[in-house]
Amino acid sequence: DSGVTQTPKHLITATGQRVTLRCSPRSGDLSVYWYQQSLDQGLQFLIQYYNGEERAKGNILERFSAQQFPDLHSELNLSSLELGDSALYFCASSLELAGVDTQYFGPGTRLTVL
Amino acid sequence: AQTVTQSQPEMSVQEAETVTLSCTYDTSESDYYLFWYKQPPSRQMILVIRQEAYKQQNATENRFSVNFQKAAKSFSLKISDSQLGDAAMYFCAYRSGGSSGDKLTFGTGTRLAVRP
Repeated sequence: DSGVTQTPKHLITATGQRVTLRCSPRSGDLSVYWYQQSLDQGLQFLIQYYNGEERAKGNILERFSAQQFPDLHSELNLSSLELGDSALYFCASSLELAGVDTQYFGPGTRLTVL
Repeated sequence: AQTVTQSQPEMSVQEAETVTLSCTYDTSESDYYLFWYKQPPSRQMILVIRQEAYKQQNATENRFSVNFQKAAKSFSLKISDSQLGDAAMYFCAYRSGGSSGDKLTFGTGTRLAVRP
């Protein structure tokens, strides 16, 4: 158990809908990362927050947004869902930015868009 | 942009034997970090081992060790005394040490099967 929690574990929805994925980082970790794992794109970085502020953006679609709240939990919002958004979405957390700080991954949320 | 290449989609090893998984990367940075993550059938991403680029000594964690060749931009993972529980997808990952962010850039993975 990495200490990172993600809810829900599974999500099945229809095209055009909107969903919210939730992540609670390890106790004390200030940085949260979101990654998408799909068959065709592999593991891709989406976005990073550090202590409530957006730190870095990757290949995140405009239909996707995220935020980190004062209690440091984070939510990833996916809207106007398409079939191609079906994937495993991981949240990871780390304590700080510098050095070899390890990112610890949550169990992921499996999103299926029908 | 940095890229990570894992040229072996699948590997197989006999239980108790040794196997080496390959990883190469492309970067113009001198300060960076390299990681191997394991993804078993449960899909959880588990850190196996990490290496700082400024360290010449290869990292070791129990049965897992790396061969880090900075000039060749190579970072292979050696698993000794393979166990059935080692069967998983293994991902090599790169993280910049500079101002370009803290994201991990992953390779495409190597699926390791362990034969009993």
